[in-house]
Amino acid sequence: QKEVEQDPGPLSVPEGAIVSLNCTYSNSAFQYFMWYRQYSRKGPELLMYTYSSGNKEDGRFTAQVDKSSKYISLFIRDSQPSDSATYLCAMNRTPGFQKLVFGTGTRLLVSP
Amino acid sequence: GAGVSQTPSNKVTEKGKYVELRCDPISGHTALYWYRQSLGQGPEFLIYFQGTGAADDSGLPNDRFFAVRPEGSVSTLKIQRTERGDSAVYLCASSPGTSGGADTGELFFGEGSRLTVL
Repeated sequence: QKEVEQDPGPLSVPEGAIVSLNCTYSNSAFQYFMWYRQYSRKGPELLMYTYSSGNKEDGRFTAQVDKSSKYISLFIRDSQPSDSATYLCAMNRTPGFQKLVFGTGTRLLVSP
Repeated sequence: GAGVSQTPSNKVTEKGKYVELRCDPISGHTALYWYRQSLGQGPEFLIYFQGTGAADDSGLPNDRFFAVRPEGSVSTLKIQRTERGDSAVYLCASSPGTSGGADTGELFFGEGSRLTVL
């Protein structure tokens, strides 16, 4: 069993929809949780990071962490075609970002 | 400013050959990482440098893989006796790092070197 599970998609939605992306994990030692966005043939770029349980909002993006359920989510409001990309969740056991464990990524397609 | 630069962007080689992949991090970033991303998968950690030394090389799959960062800036990932299973995108990332403890900086990834072993 992988430490981090993520549905690979693809997830297809119309422009303006609310998108929900999720990951589950098995290792309770994970404390830092991140969402990266990766466009085709590009490197991942950090979107959101959270520490422990709770919500964090940044513009159209909201990240949620539920440590009791070992479940994290990323919500995208008013989705745009430019949001079409692969979204990777990532986690870390220690402070900082050096040894991330990534999910497989969910491919999101937002149609105009 | 310039981001993380990786060369070559694409490399096709034959099974058994030796390959070097180069990473030029963002200027001033002391921490450098190599990750490997296979098709349809998320990146997997390979090795982490803080300055010139490898702080954690636990992700290197076997002794055919080796990485160096002799002057604390540019890094080279070296793969000996390549196998078809080594085909993947090799991603380099850097972050500002810290002098003595945990790295708390965001990772800035390059576009990767796509390695194909025939």
